[in-house]
Amino acid sequence: AAGVIQSPRHLIKEKRETATLKCYPIPRHDTVYWYQQGPGQDPQFLISFYEKMQSDKGSIPDRFSAQQFSDYHSELNMSSLELGDSALYFCASSPQVNTEAFFGQGTRLTVV
Amino acid sequence: SQQGEEDPQALSIQEGENATMNCSYKTSINNLQWYRQNSGRGLVHLILIRSNEREKHSGRLRVTLDTSKKSSSLLITASRAADTASYFCATVPSGGYNKLIFGAGTRLAVHP
Repeated sequence: AAGVIQSPRHLIKEKRETATLKCYPIPRHDTVYWYQQGPGQDPQFLISFYEKMQSDKGSIPDRFSAQQFSDYHSELNMSSLELGDSALYFCASSPQVNTEAFFGQGTRLTVV
Repeated sequence: SQQGEEDPQALSIQEGENATMNCSYKTSINNLQWYRQNSGRGLVHLILIRSNEREKHSGRLRVTLDTSKKSSSLLITASRAADTASYFCATVPSGGYNKLIFGAGTRLAVHP
């Protein structure tokens, strides 16, 4: 069965650079979530989309933005990267709002 | 944590024993979900319990929910070494929100 695909799996960037993370949700899932997980931390909610429209926002820095495109893939754009942005970034999708979420394998971002 | 605490933070048991993890949350919820995460990997959905349910079973998993105490517990019976992972509870707040709020997680180690 198709799963949530994230790319790239690993990314190394320098401070002040920009990063773009991509997410391809499971087909026919109408909801996409983005999460940030620091080492030994719980996943922190960043933002969600329902049918390509932003539906909820969490503790997402102003330097970050996200969107969902007509083909349902989503991108998380991160600018002016800081060392503290180093983390695992997960995308997840759900077949319906407020049901189980299927997570991708994550993108490990390292800012040096 | 965005949500509350999980208890215990770490649990070490022998194969065949039962493991109980507890989770507390802060707000009214639509449902509560439990996820498992192997080190550095994506989260895997285990079970969902709705706010009007008190107990739910799935295989070796038993989840309880006490909305008056804003708490939940996950019981894994007859544990196996393969159950070694971190376990997180996540709540969907009531009121039309489209997000999962994760707790701090319990690291479970099951020794052969």
